[in-house]
Amino acid sequence: DTAVSQTPKYLVTQMGNDKSIKCEQNLGHDTMYWYKQDSKKFLKIMFSYNNKELIINETVPNRFSPKSPDKAHLNLHINSLELGDSAVYFCASSQVTSVETQYFGPGTRLLVL
Amino acid sequence: EDKVVQSPLSLVVHEGDTVTLNCSYEVTNFRSLLWYKQEKKAPTFLFMLTSSGIEKKSGRLSSILDKKELSSILNITATQTGDSAIYLCAVGNYGGSQGNLIFGKGTKLSVKP
Repeated sequence: DTAVSQTPKYLVTQMGNDKSIKCEQNLGHDTMYWYKQDSKKFLKIMFSYNNKELIINETVPNRFSPKSPDKAHLNLHINSLELGDSAVYFCASSQVTSVETQYFGPGTRLLVL
Repeated sequence: EDKVVQSPLSLVVHEGDTVTLNCSYEVTNFRSLLWYKQEKKAPTFLFMLTSSGIEKKSGRLSSILDKKELSSILNITATQTGDSAIYLCAVGNYGGSQGNLIFGKGTKLSVKP
């Protein structure tokens, strides 16, 4: 069974479109994260949710809006996509008491044309 | 601002060589240092270090933390082509209501036959 899953795996879209990436974890964790990894492989946290509440919101454009319908899901919605949004987006989860033990999803490769 | 710096950024070696990857950090409320290996998909966990001077080993890989120097090294002996990957260093801190992981930019290791 997949511990942390993301859909879609690949997403190719035009500038200006709105898209969503979904993430689900079946580990019973109470904290979920979104990371962005750019073309230079720099992995940077974007958001962290604990028990459906936003905990970390790094400096990302407000075109990015995370939504957590329940503890097992954290979706990422992106409005008005720009070329610079092209990257691999990783979802991860952990217990809040063990932030180091994060399980990563397989990633979603987003390409904005 | 918290930061994690890895060196070198890239490294090319031949099978059988020994390599040392470096990670230094300036992070408030340090909690832990982690090493990950990233091949084509999500980062996979290698080590977590919290105490200075205690080496952790897993097969041909080993790592040690120096809290006085604010740094860590990852050693790989008798390298194999399967060791080719990006090695990420991350530091966990105590931040707000939970910790956070701050990643370095990674070292890209290429092992040639």
